[in-house]
Order: sequence, then C-alpha cells, then structure tokens
Amino acid sequence: EAAVTQSPRSKVAVTGGKVTLSCHQTNNHDYMYWYRQDTGHGLRLIHYSYVADSTEKGDIPDGYKASRPSQENFSLILELASLSQTAVYFCASSLRDSSYEQYFGPGTRLTVL
Amino acid sequence: GDQVKQSPSALSLQEGTNSALRCNFSIATTTVQWFLQNPRGSLMNLFYLVPGTKENGRLKSTFNSKESYSTLHIRDAQLEDSGTYFCAAEGGGYKVVFGSGTRLLVSP
Repeated sequence: EAAVTQSPRSKVAVTGGKVTLSCHQTNNHDYMYWYRQDTGHGLRLIHYSYVADSTEKGDIPDGYKASRPSQENFSLILELASLSQTAVYFCASSLRDSSYEQYFGPGTRLTVL
Repeated sequence: GDQVKQSPSALSLQEGTNSALRCNFSIATTTVQWFLQNPRGSLMNLFYLVPGTKENGRLKSTFNSKESYSTLHIRDAQLEDSGTYFCAAEGGGYKVVFGSGTRLLVSP
C-alpha cells in the first residue's frame, strides 16, 4: 500500500548523459517535492509542484528540471548528469503546502560515473 | 549558519536506556516533523507537530515555538531504534528545512 513510489530504485549514469527519475503518489495530494540527500547530511529541496503542469524551484535547482504531467506523477530530469549529482534522491508529497505532513518515497540512489 | 541545528550529531545507547535528541531553529517555524531513516535508507514518519507534545509508544516529542526548539525523547531504547533521526522545520510556503541528523546506535 506504499503511497509514494519511486523508479528506478538505483541507477548508474555516465557523465553528460540524461537521467530521468520518476515518482508516483496515490495519496491524492496536491504538493509534490524532490529532495537530494548527500552522504551524512540532511535533505535539500530541488524542485516542488503544487499543481499539474506547473513546477517551482526549490533551494538547489541548478542542473535539474522537473515535470508534473498529472497530479500523481512528478519527474526529476538531469539533462547533463555530472559527478556532483551522485546522491540519493527522495520524492515526497503533502496534502496542501509544506505546513502539512510530508510523506516520502523509498529513495533512488544515483551514481554518476 | 545552520537554520536547523540538531544535537547531538551521534549517540550510542545501551538497550533499555533513555535519551533525548534536540533541534534548535533559527528560522520562524510553524510545524516540525521528525523522521527516522533506517539503515536501508527509508524515511519513516515519527511525528508531525504544531506547538505542543505528542507521544507514541516509547517516543515522545515536544515542539516549543516560543523558544524555537523541538525535542525527541526515546524511552527504553531498543536495537530497532538504531538509525538516523532527522527533524524538519516548516516556516511558510514551500520551505521545509532539514537538520543534519542524529546517528543513533543502540547496543545490547
């Protein structure tokens, strides 16, 4: 009954390649978020979305694009992957804005070589 | 400086003992969430708090918005409590700021 799912769960990419990470939620939540976690650190917000077909920049958007084609789906796109983008990426959703409880997916471990 | 500062950064406990983790906020904070990241990397929701206190089993959390801090108390620590505990502060709009985490190891 996992409400936020992510795919793939892990990926190895080459420098300069394109990477797409996908997130799907069945919570019927309006807001969705993409975070990255670097080893030994907390999460930092990359992009978020509060409605389909619209995305907003978070705190560290450089090098990332996002796409929200429907309420349930939110993708993170790395057009030209770089070594510095090696990290674990988490997707989350919340009913309304971030004052509501956030629910996280299992994460995607991305390694860029 | 850190907008959400967690302490301690690491902690070792023996089974059956008690401890407290703390987050101090330097940003205006409306709500606080506590998560446990287990050794497999999954984030588990522990508490979602407006100012006040919540309790769930051996865990108890308080959020004091006037003094800008939150605590997480662990009573009778068990091996399965091991992992990294994160607090996250929400201060309006989309802004949720995570602390750097407290790594907890519970030993027999």
